[in-house]
Amino acid sequence: ETGVTQTPRHLVMGMTNKKSLKCEQHLGHNAMYWYKQSAKKPLELMFVYNFKEQTENNSVPSRFSPECPNSSHLFLHLHTLQPEDSALYLCASSQDRASGRRDTQYFGPGTRLTVL
Amino acid sequence: AQKVTQAQTEISVVEKEDVTLDCVYETRDTTYYLFWYKQPPSGELVFLIRRNSFDEQNEISGRYSWNFQKSTSSFNFTITASQVVDSAVYFCALSEASNYGQNFVFGPGTRLSVLP
Repeated sequence: ETGVTQTPRHLVMGMTNKKSLKCEQHLGHNAMYWYKQSAKKPLELMFVYNFKEQTENNSVPSRFSPECPNSSHLFLHLHTLQPEDSALYLCASSQDRASGRRDTQYFGPGTRLTVL
Repeated sequence: AQKVTQAQTEISVVEKEDVTLDCVYETRDTTYYLFWYKQPPSGELVFLIRRNSFDEQNEISGRYSWNFQKSTSSFNFTITASQVVDSAVYFCALSEASNYGQNFVFGPGTRLSVLP
């Protein structure tokens, strides 16, 4: 496998379900990101991990819980979601420098989530 | 604060026409990076180009070319002899070098439809 992979590609869940999205990068990068892309809205950055440490949480509701066990894997745990959480969830990775400058981000194919 | 504007929400062209996608940015930094990404219907954002603020040379890659003008804070993208496969949403993005934790700022995107 190369690049950034995400599973599942499609997910339908009820509001009371618990599910997890998985992202894996095979690029040797040290930073990983979760984005939310809703219809007709700009890309929204949700979380940033750098060397497995969460460096940013952009006021994301607690029903979204990220986990980064190592620099290659990133999870997004979902529970008690709302219908408005239906969106395309994109994972990205980058080789960030020690200076903190954001290097080129490479994206996975996304998980299209539908909350009923 | 950083800001990226893509004034063209949607563009339709007929195959083989040339098309230019506009991107205007705002930043207080003297060192920054500009990017273009393509998002085909499959959903994955595909990296196209990165340009740093000190390199104002225009770049050409096959049918793609980019015109970076610091004087007007623009980084426009031209597709020559467009093809149906170019149909996608195109995003311009900006990353500042100086602020640790400063992320990519994506523009709202331009949806390009190339008609046969």
